[in-house]
Amino acid sequence: DIQMTQSPSTLSASVGDRVTITCRASQSISSWLAWYQQKPGKAPNLLIYKASSLKSGVPSRFSGSGSGTEFTLTISSLQPDDFATYYCQHYNSYPLTFGGGTKVEIK
Amino acid sequence: EVQLVESGGGLVQPGGSLRLSCAASGFTFSDYYMDWVRQAPGKGLEWVARSRDKASSYTTEYAASVKGRFTISRHDSETLLFLQMNSLKTEDTAVYYCVRDLGGGKEVVSGDWGQGTLVTVSS
Repeated sequence: DIQMTQSPSTLSASVGDRVTITCRASQSISSWLAWYQQKPGKAPNLLIYKASSLKSGVPSRFSGSGSGTEFTLTISSLQPDDFATYYCQHYNSYPLTFGGGTKVEIK
Repeated sequence: EVQLVESGGGLVQPGGSLRLSCAASGFTFSDYYMDWVRQAPGKGLEWVARSRDKASSYTTEYAASVKGRFTISRHDSETLLFLQMNSLKTEDTAVYYCVRDLGGGKEVVSGDWGQGTLVTVSS
């Protein structure tokens, strides 16, 4: 199974900050990676797929990069609505697996 | 507008069974891979099962933790997705989400999720 490791697990930041979350795969997954945002009590929302493709309707302050085993999600200027937990997920092979999550908190 | 509405969750004793349903609308159901994902209370996300689309003959995949106990199926004419859960364990306690294509089915990932249904396995 491919293990997905996210860092950091918690991140404290202020509105307007540039935020970067890292996701590492235990083996190459090419660009078959998605990023999700989840708020408490709600279902996750897809932000990015195929490592860097922005889902329609997602603000352009979100961007993704990487390939192979190392990926990043960047929020260029953190907004109040962005405080949430973020998950990466690969879809290279079965089983599909998620990272452990990164909680973005208010500093 | 894509809608996915789960139902069928509830309290069940260890060893019992439960069938979850997901009513889909707003898209051509038979054209899409469909997934079940679960989230234990306060924990992360875990993929559970997949049903591929009609073009892939509705073939299925399962996580090791549920293989042999859970069965994913679909009723395309009624645009319903099911998850039959047998031999339930306390560790199956989670919110179960129905998802339109977690990736791999089409070039553009849908990633649409329902609101989830809570399954509690406890005596």
